[in-house]
Parts: sequence; C-alpha cells; structure tokens
Amino acid sequence: NAGVTQTPKFQVLKTGQSMTLQCAQDMNHNSMYWYRQDPGMGLRLIYYSASEGTTDKGEVPNGYNVSRLNKREFSLRLESAAPSQTSVYFCASSEEWGQGYTFGSGTRLTVV
Amino acid sequence: RKEVEQDPGPFNVPEGATVAFNCTYSNSASQSFFWYRQDCRKEPKLLMSVYSSGNEDGRFTAQLNRASQYISLLIRDSKLSDSATYLCVVNGANAGKSTFGDGTTLTVKP
Repeated sequence: NAGVTQTPKFQVLKTGQSMTLQCAQDMNHNSMYWYRQDPGMGLRLIYYSASEGTTDKGEVPNGYNVSRLNKREFSLRLESAAPSQTSVYFCASSEEWGQGYTFGSGTRLTVV
Repeated sequence: RKEVEQDPGPFNVPEGATVAFNCTYSNSASQSFFWYRQDCRKEPKLLMSVYSSGNEDGRFTAQLNRASQYISLLIRDSKLSDSATYLCVVNGANAGKSTFGDGTTLTVKP
C-alpha cells in the first residue's frame, strides 16, 4: 500500500519557468491538500480539494493553481516560478475534511 | 498573535524521562485536533487525534482542554527514537481552515 505518492522528489527551476507537482493517493480518500513548509513558518495550506470535483484556496494560494484530476490525483502547478516559492511541498490526503492526514514524502523545490 | 502556538523548544531530556508539550489555539470554534511527528527532512506522520476525554496510545497521552484552548501531548518513558519535531494541528469548522503549529523539537539523550 503506497499511501500518498509525490513526484518529483527534487527540482531546481529558473525564475519564470513552470512546472507541475504530481500527487496520487491509493487510500480512496475524499480530501486532498497541498502544503508548503518553510523554516520558521511551519506548514501552510496552499490549496485543498474537499472532495472530487472541488478545489479551494488555502492560506497561501498566490502563484499556484491546482487540478483535482480524479479522486486519486491532485496536481499543483507553478506557472511562473519565483525565488519566494523555494520550499518543501507536501501533498496530503484524508478520508474526509477534518480528519487526520497522510502525507507524501515531499518535493524539495529550489527556484534560482 | 499566531492562531496556533507551540513552544519551539528544544526540549532535551534523558532516556526514561517524562516530557509534556502544549499547544494553544485562539479560535474557540475549532473542531478537531491532532498531533503529528516529523523527523528531520521527512514528511509529518500522524501520531494521534486529540479528544476532550483524553486518549492514550502506549506511552503517549493526548488531551484537549477546550475551556483554556490548548492541547497537550505527554510522552512517558522517553526513548531515543522519540527524538523528532512534534506538530500540533487545529482544524476549524470550515473546510480549508487547518492550522499547523511551528513544532516543538524533542531530543532524547542516552
């Protein structure tokens, strides 16, 4: 049972480049999330999908877009990367909103 | 003031010690509460849910105090393997309102 799978694990982008972070879960969870983690800032919610077919902004959505492709997959897109988006990105899922999360192993993104 | 506050520590304790962490939250309408453990350069992992009645899982006990708006985590008989950062999470009533504390670092020494 893989749980939550994120790709890629590491990425270096130049300012202005775009990329998509992929996330898939195999636990039949309804809710999925994207967080970023920065030193001294804790984990902050970027976007979430409470159920298949819905997506909503979290605390720090600017510069990002998401797609809930199906119940399993939830992708995060950076259209024009900026150095401020250098961070560790975690995808997570839960059976329903408000329940405990299972996290993916993270993507370490550096924007130069 | 942050919505969720944790003492960052670090807490340095000897093996076998009992250690407790608190996490305070500002929104009295918060609905659900959790503790996670995060090892260095790894993802957070769910440790336990937190209920007003308290809940215990082996050496770990979590408690919610709604009147004073804090949750606690007690670790008894600390092991070297308990060394990690412990994160509290407070969820609001509305979907999308989920706030992590910045974490408390625990180091258990021989």
